[in-house]
Amino acid sequence: AQKITQTQPGMFVQEKEAVTLDCTYDTSDQSYGLFWYKQPSSGEMIFLIYQGSYDEQNATEGRYSLNFQKARKSANLVISASQLGDSAMYFCAMREGTNAGKSTFGDGTTLTVKP
Amino acid sequence: GAGVSQSPRYKVAKRGQDVALRCDPISGHVSLFWYQQALGQGPEFLTYFQNEAQLDKSGLPSDRFFAERPEGSVSTLKIQRTQQEDSAVYLCASFSHSGNTIYFGEGSWLTVV
Repeated sequence: AQKITQTQPGMFVQEKEAVTLDCTYDTSDQSYGLFWYKQPSSGEMIFLIYQGSYDEQNATEGRYSLNFQKARKSANLVISASQLGDSAMYFCAMREGTNAGKSTFGDGTTLTVKP
Repeated sequence: GAGVSQSPRYKVAKRGQDVALRCDPISGHVSLFWYQQALGQGPEFLTYFQNEAQLDKSGLPSDRFFAERPEGSVSTLKIQRTQQEDSAVYLCASFSHSGNTIYFGEGSWLTVV
């Protein structure tokens, strides 16, 4: 069975600084994909970034980058130049097999950006 | 609209009451998913449709939960004889298969009293 672990229930960061949100995963599959989502208080889950297990380069999307360390089974999210609007819940997720929509989620990290 | 639309946004049901939650996916999206998110936890997969076919319902917690997508677009998640443990946010998502982006709705917040 697949499992996602996010060990940081809450994180604080000063505005304009970088922050790393931790995610480790467990799977016996060779082919898998890892996602990060942002969930503001409105409830909508917003896709941020995707990393495939065979991708050699770490994924980047604007201020978001994914620090993928396959041997350690970790997929940490790095947010650079934090903004007040980044305050939200962040979820790491892993898709099962090739079905991109069927994912196992971690329990999330609440990020608070301080002015 | 351009995004995934869910209704109602908020629903308070008395224990034992039946509820129906609606999801209107992004136009043209073949795949549709339902997730349940309990307070303080990550979403958990419930069921998956490709067009009108329900290909995976392994996450439905009991036979009180039923989902359908009869014409391959709008989907309804029905919960019969609601229990307090059904209180959660029910998220719908759709996916186009042309990328890895999954689009979620804002969820239907169900409270069973």
